Amino acid sequence: AQSVTQLDSQVPVFEEAPVELRCNYSSSVSVYLFWYVQYPNQGLQLLLKYLSGSTLVKGINGFEAEFNKSQTSFHLRKPSVHISDTAEYFCAVSEPGGSYIPTFGRGTSLIVHP
Amino acid sequence: NAGVTQTPKFRVLKTGQSMTLLCAQDMNHEYMYWYRQDPGMGLRLIHYSVGEGTTAKGEVPDGYNVSRLKKQNFLLGLESAAPSQTSVYFCASSYSDSGDTQYFGPGTRLTVL
Repeated sequence: AQSVTQLDSQVPVFEEAPVELRCNYSSSVSVYLFWYVQYPNQGLQLLLKYLSGSTLVKGINGFEAEFNKSQTSFHLRKPSVHISDTAEYFCAVSEPGGSYIPTFGRGTSLIVHP
Repeated sequence: NAGVTQTPKFRVLKTGQSMTLLCAQDMNHEYMYWYRQDPGMGLRLIHYSVGEGTTAKGEVPDGYNVSRLKKQNFLLGLESAAPSQTSVYFCASSYSDSGDTQYFGPGTRLTVL
């Protein structure tokens, strides 16, 4: 079974600074990868996902992520964060043709300071 | 198009009481899921359904039951609530492929005293 590790439980950053949220998964087989965002007191919504093709995936709100198969990583980046990016971010993985149940990481809390 | 809705938004129960959480989706999705979210634990899958009339256990099913009598609805029941079930509960739905996006409801905050 897949496992997902989000290496940082909390990432504080100042407004307009760049940020990287790290995500590693366990298996080297083909995978689908997702990043979801949860704003305070809301449900999760999709930021971006990798299914195939280009390893650099662009999502909503200026976020992007890079799929690195050799390092089994899918780190999320944004070149300049805003206060409104303060939220919980979840990485998830599933297997093509396999279980339709994604495995979620424990989440990273991004805290943007003015 | 409301997406995924959950009822109620908040609830306080006493130990031993029962309740049902309702999830509804209007996207004609085949798959539906119930998760609980606890601090530092991320999302944990309780039960899921791959279609009308079907249900299956997830990672933490004990103390919960579910039913999917209609494709658009997925009910989560607590027969005898315990303080350990204090949590935020999220429902989600998706189409049928493992690459499909999950759409989440706004959550139900349950406190068991």
